[in-house]
Amino acid sequence: DIQMTQSPSSLSASVGDRVTITCRASQGIRNDLGWYQQKPGKAPKRLIYAASNLQSGVPSRFSGSGSGTQFTLTISSLQPEDFATYYCLQHNSHPLTFGGGTKVEIK
Amino acid sequence: EVQLVESGGGLVQPGGSLRLSCAASGFTLSDHYLDWVRQAPGKGLEWVGRTRNKANSYTTEYAASVKGRFTLSRDESKNSVYLQMNGLRTEDTAIYYCARASYASGSYYFDYWGQGTLVTVSS
Repeated sequence: DIQMTQSPSSLSASVGDRVTITCRASQGIRNDLGWYQQKPGKAPKRLIYAASNLQSGVPSRFSGSGSGTQFTLTISSLQPEDFATYYCLQHNSHPLTFGGGTKVEIK
Repeated sequence: EVQLVESGGGLVQPGGSLRLSCAASGFTLSDHYLDWVRQAPGKGLEWVGRTRNKANSYTTEYAASVKGRFTLSRDESKNSVYLQMNGLRTEDTAIYYCARASYASGSYYFDYWGQGTLVTVSS
């Protein structure tokens, strides 16, 4: 199974900050990675697919990069509505595996 | 409008069974993969299983933690996907989400999610 190591597990940031979350795959997964945002009590929502493709309707302050084993989600200027938990998910092979999540909290 | 609505959750004793339903609307179910993802209370997301589309013969995949106990099926006439859960354990307690997986840029990604249904396994 492919292990996804996501870091940090939590972070505190202020509105306007630049935030970076990373995911490392235990083996190469090409660019078969998605990023999902989850707010409390809600279903996850897709932000990024294929490592760097922005989901329609998602603000351009979100961006993804990476390929192979190292991936990054960047929020260029954190907004109040971005406080949530973020997960990476490898879609390369079964079983699909999520990263442990990154909780982004208000500083 | 694409919608996925889960139902069938509830309280069940260890060793018991439950069948979850995911009712789909706004798209042709047979054209799409449908997955289940669960989230234990206060924990992260865990992929449970997948049923592929008609073009891929509705084949299925399961996480090791549920293989042999959980079974995915579809009823296209009812636009629904089912997750039959047998031999339930306390560690199966979670919110269960169904999610549509659509092809993009070489793989299948979850583009729509249901609101989830809570399964509690307890004596």
